[in-house]
Amino acid sequence: EAGVTQFPSHSVIEKGQTVTLRCDPISGHDNLYWYRRVMGKEIKFLLHFVKESKQDESGMPNNRFLAERTGGTYSTLKVQPAELEDSGVYFCASSPDLAGGSGQFFGPGTRLTVL
Amino acid sequence: DAKTTQPPSMDCAEGRAANLPCNHSTISGNEYVYWYRQIHSQGPQYIIHGLKNNETNEMASLIITEDRKSSTLILPHATLRDTAVYYCIVRVGFWGAQKLVFGQGTRLTINP
Repeated sequence: EAGVTQFPSHSVIEKGQTVTLRCDPISGHDNLYWYRRVMGKEIKFLLHFVKESKQDESGMPNNRFLAERTGGTYSTLKVQPAELEDSGVYFCASSPDLAGGSGQFFGPGTRLTVL
Repeated sequence: DAKTTQPPSMDCAEGRAANLPCNHSTISGNEYVYWYRQIHSQGPQYIIHGLKNNETNEMASLIITEDRKSSTLILPHATLRDTAVYYCIVRVGFWGAQKLVFGQGTRLTINP
């Protein structure tokens, strides 16, 4: 079974440019999450989709970040315009919907560097 | 904020059991204990979770105290590849699962 995949693995852009990160969850997983780790700090939650709907976007830092999950399959996270403090590793995770809870399965991450 | 307390670092000899403690004294009745690890800069990896009974899978065992205020993750025969940062997280388990709140975790080093 294929795991969570993310594209690109690395992205280097200049301040003010736009970058779009993509996440393909495990097939059949309704829950999709975005997290990020910046500057060696703790991993922080960004938002959570249930199918195509945003269940919780309390972690989105500001309106320069836009996440979509059209059709409830893959998701994109766009940063426009990018700032220096956006540099970090962006992780995507997915999980099935189980009453007893389930582990979230993470992708390898996208390392974003804003110069 | 994370609801758990873990030692910042631990060492264990290869081949021995690694026992990682976690305190979660404010855990609610409907909250599960989850363990994840992050090896170097890879994505976090789910290990195990439990509510009140001890759990075991192919990776580890989870021992939860009767009052549920603390737990221990046990890696029965640690290998060098188990060197990682281990995170203990409490969260509600229900339909439409909640976000994970990561703390600092425990940096486990397996020594040859």
